[in-house]
Amino acid sequence: RKEVEQDPGPFNVPEGATVAFNCTYSNSASQSFFWYRQDCRKEPKLLMSVYSSGNEDGRFTAQLNRASQYISLLIRDSKLSDSATYLCAVLASGGSYIPTFGRGTSLIVHP
Amino acid sequence: SQTIHQWPATLVQPVGSPLSLECTVEGTSNPNLYWYRQAAGRGLQLLFYSVGIGQISSEVPQNLSASRPQDRQFILSSKKLLLSDSGFYLCAWSMRGRTDTQYFGPGTRLTVL
Repeated sequence: RKEVEQDPGPFNVPEGATVAFNCTYSNSASQSFFWYRQDCRKEPKLLMSVYSSGNEDGRFTAQLNRASQYISLLIRDSKLSDSATYLCAVLASGGSYIPTFGRGTSLIVHP
Repeated sequence: SQTIHQWPATLVQPVGSPLSLECTVEGTSNPNLYWYRQAAGRGLQLLFYSVGIGQISSEVPQNLSASRPQDRQFILSSKKLLLSDSGFYLCAWSMRGRTDTQYFGPGTRLTVL
């Protein structure tokens, strides 16, 4: 089993739709979680960190489910500009500074 | 604020030629530094990371090497490029001693012909 897994997609949704992605991780000791956005031929950019209590930033909501070992990203009212690849990253505890990245989920928002 | 620079942005090199990619970070001290490669349609592959000057850890044995001659400078090199070295090379930094967020540079797109 891969350490961090994501459905590669693509998720093809119309503008205004709500879409959610999951990212599963295998290391139960994982402590830090992140979502990155990567546009085509660009570097990944931090979208948001994922806290135990979940967090929300505008149309984006990230949640952590420790029992089932996954994090999720919910995008409401999708915009054309949301089209990108969304990468999750997971850091283990114990002073690790090397995250494990998923391979990303591709989102295409169409008119 | 912190910024990370990489150059060149794009590079086309023949097989067997040498390589030198540079990454510098501004606005922070003692960062952790990382080199990743992302092949077309693939995930991020960690190549090297460094927790200090002269301290390099290699994740994947290959014909690449890394050096950190200064605190905020990280260099990726090769003596002889292979076709399989083509890809998108990303430098990243994080706060030293913290299990914290990584921030990526703009990347170098390398094509080996």
